[in-house]
Amino acid sequence: DVKVTQSSRYLVKRTGEKVFLECVQDMDHENMFWYRQDPGLGLRLIYFSYDVKMKEKGDIPEGYSVSREKKERFSLILESASTNQTSMYLCASGTHYEQYFGPGTRLTVT
Amino acid sequence: QKEVEQNSGPLSVPEGAIASLNCTYSDRVSQSFFWYRQYSGKSPELIMSIYSNGDKEDGRFTAQLNKASQYVSLLIRDSQPSDSATYLCAVQRESNYQLIWGAGTKLIIKP
Repeated sequence: DVKVTQSSRYLVKRTGEKVFLECVQDMDHENMFWYRQDPGLGLRLIYFSYDVKMKEKGDIPEGYSVSREKKERFSLILESASTNQTSMYLCASGTHYEQYFGPGTRLTVT
Repeated sequence: QKEVEQNSGPLSVPEGAIASLNCTYSDRVSQSFFWYRQYSGKSPELIMSIYSNGDKEDGRFTAQLNKASQYVSLLIRDSQPSDSATYLCAVQRESNYQLIWGAGTKLIIKP
């Protein structure tokens, strides 16, 4: 079974803090993705990576950065958290059409 | 106009009936379409993909695609309470192969 794990299920941070969300997959997938999911808006792609050290912006990259130093690990970084970044963050790995998701991190920024 | 639109629901269907979920998309050149299911508090999982006009059946699920009308649907026959979930429609954007997601339709199967 494909397994995608995320570092935290719930996270509460203060405005202005630097936030790291980590994702690990065990299926040797080339592609990894970071989405956020908000009610009424669906999943929106923040960044994806198609290889180690390679990344591409998704539809909403502003305020986020990513890091992929090893194939199995993809990190999402909020340089200075803001309240409008309160959301559910989902990591996925796989192909562009068949994606396997982690359990999600619900981030609250106060 | 959103790239992928779904009725948010909830859609309430009696157990044993057919549930019909609909999705429209704006990119005329899209070729690949997907249905994911998301249980409450869980992550999405792929249940169907469809690439050609017409119907594609997999067990109790049938995906239907009409590219001329830019319309894709999911039918669930003999609906079970375990089918209660949010169903997400995803369309692959041809320009960069990324998935564009609808906001999902919440389906409730009433025993």
